[in-house]
Amino acid sequence: DTEVTQTPKHLVMGMTNKKSLKCEQHMGHRAMYWYKQKAKKPPELMFVYSYEKLSINESVPSRFSPECPNSSLLNLHLHALQPEDSALYLCASSQDTGRVRSGANVLTFGAGSRLTVL
Amino acid sequence: GEDVEQSLFLSVREGDSSVINCTYTDSSSTYLYWYKQEPGAGLQLLTYIFSNMDMKQDQRLTVLLNKKDKHLSLRIADTQTGDSAIYFCAEWGSQGNLIFGKGTKLSVKP
Repeated sequence: DTEVTQTPKHLVMGMTNKKSLKCEQHMGHRAMYWYKQKAKKPPELMFVYSYEKLSINESVPSRFSPECPNSSLLNLHLHALQPEDSALYLCASSQDTGRVRSGANVLTFGAGSRLTVL
Repeated sequence: GEDVEQSLFLSVREGDSSVINCTYTDSSSTYLYWYKQEPGAGLQLLTYIFSNMDMKQDQRLTVLLNKKDKHLSLRIADTQTGDSAIYFCAEWGSQGNLIFGKGTKLSVKP
């Protein structure tokens, strides 16, 4: 299995809703990532988990709450979002984080969850 | 700080070669990557090159690396309409995150 699977593919939510995005990989990767991508822009890093521990939080507002229940799963809990949070949310995984400079350490992306906040 | 720069647009005719260029700043990068993103989709790894190589060829794709000038290029031979997408070059930053260029939108005209 060489895939990163994200659900749901599309999500529409109101500003008072609570929802979650889910991500799963079975490649034995120890690093998992959440990125946010707005139209016509590169992905922006939000969070990095390494060995199930949060290692990077790029000053993301607390209305986004990541969770890594085990080495294969990564969730992003959403609460009280704003319309400007509408974007494509991409999950990715790699053998290790980029701090470990051995091997190609390819970052594999999921297809993304398209979020619309009304 | 670490930065990756790309030109934003490239337009070619079907059957021509496309060359997408990228410059990066971190001279300690061991691998450099090219990703492709089609509309509404995630990022797909196209190819990568190890920093001690000058060139890597993979079917229609050729990657050239000039480490002295910190310049990376991706050549697509016999470009097809299915190659229309945004292409990102990327390198690992010192904080352990992958740093992307702004992306080059390739348009292929029939």
